Amino acid sequence: QVQLQESGPGLVKPSQTLSLTCIVSGDPVTRGTYYWTWIRQPAGKGLEWIGRIHISGTTHYNSSLKSRLSISIDTSRNYFSLELTSVMAADTAVYFCAREGGYYDSWGQGVLVTVSS
Amino acid sequence: DIVMTQSPDCLAVSLGERATINCKSSQNVLFTSNNKNYLAWYQQKPGQPPKLLISWASTRESGVPDRFSGSGSGTDFTLTISSMQVEDVAVYYCQQYYGIPPTFGQGTKLEIK
Repeated sequence: QVQLQESGPGLVKPSQTLSLTCIVSGDPVTRGTYYWTWIRQPAGKGLEWIGRIHISGTTHYNSSLKSRLSISIDTSRNYFSLELTSVMAADTAVYFCAREGGYYDSWGQGVLVTVSS
Repeated sequence: DIVMTQSPDCLAVSLGERATINCKSSQNVLFTSNNKNYLAWYQQKPGQPPKLLISWASTRESGVPDRFSGSGSGTDFTLTISSMQVEDVAVYYCQQYYGIPPTFGQGTKLEIK
């Protein structure tokens, strides 16, 4: 059974770079059936799709974040990562990683990231 | 982007009664070549990630109680809980995966009356 676990700092200063990692166990990220995705949720609000990566190297990014966003994948360690530059208060949210076969059948528990000085 | 609009935003239902949540997409999410609607439903409880309930508009995930059902096609979809239980209190989201980016509805908060 696949499991995903996010890791990264809970506090990031404005204008700095947010870096998160999603460790995948129970399923190789090299499986071509799936995309590996980041989704976030500000407190008390809905779900916002951030972007995704496929083992082929194909990435898709939310157009509102595209200029600041990079998603990568590490097949040797079976994880994928997110980097969001020049963060601001509006980037404060719970960040989820998920496995996507169109729909999201497996999710991490989420990590709260607060942007504050 | 395909906009997903859910109604109502909040819903209070008595235990044992039926709950109905609607989801409307701004564009058709039915792929005619395979006759499949690219629409999923999720349940999210406080402090937890969303849980996939239904994919392809009406296919219930393994382990999901059969009181949950999905219906609809094209642009109009419904999630029905046939008999409300205490453990069904949650926020429910629809999501389309027909277009890129995938998009979610704003959520419907389901409570007990």
